Amino acid sequence: DTAVSQTPKYLVTQMGNDKSIKCEQNLGHDTMYWYKQDSKKFLKIMFSYNNKELIINETVPNRFSPKSPDKAHLNLHINSLELGDSAVYFCASTTDTGELFFGEGSRLTVL
Amino acid sequence: AQSVTQPDIHITVSEGASLELRCNYSYGATPYLFWYVQSPGQGLQLLLKYFSGDTLVQGIKGFEAEFKRSQSSFNLRKPSVHWSDAAEYFCAVTNTGGFKTIFGAGTRLFVKA
Repeated sequence: DTAVSQTPKYLVTQMGNDKSIKCEQNLGHDTMYWYKQDSKKFLKIMFSYNNKELIINETVPNRFSPKSPDKAHLNLHINSLELGDSAVYFCASTTDTGELFFGEGSRLTVL
Repeated sequence: AQSVTQPDIHITVSEGASLELRCNYSYGATPYLFWYVQSPGQGLQLLLKYFSGDTLVQGIKGFEAEFKRSQSSFNLRKPSVHWSDAAEYFCAVTNTGGFKTIFGAGTRLFVKA
């Protein structure tokens, strides 16, 4: 059983399109995240939800909209994709002590 | 503000040799400290963590790390590196509320035969 699963694993799309990435965790954690990893492997936190409530929004453009229908799911929708959005997006969930459990990542390529 | 510095972008070690990856953090209180490993095309996996107590912590795959408050450091060590240890290693700090984790820029480990 995959603890944190995200789909799709790969997305290739044109500039200006809209795309979504879905994430689900079966660990029973209350808090979930989206991280962006750029081409230099730098990991930057984007959003965090705790029990469906947004608690962290790290100055991400409003083209990015997270949605958490329940505490086991956190989806990411991106409007009007730009070249600079190309990256690997990781979903993660966490225990109360901050230990993160990551999905395998979704590689987004914007052409 | 929290920050994490990994001074080495990449390190090359011979198989069987010892390894030390450096990590320095900046945080107002005693943070929760972590090391994660990322193999190519994979997500990150926790190697070990420090919350309090014994400053030398053991992790998976034979790794250990030592918390030194006076130096604001949390260096990762392994006595004998295996070829399968080649990966990207990330040091991370989490605020004690547990909600925000900041990562260092990572250190890429190359292992030569």
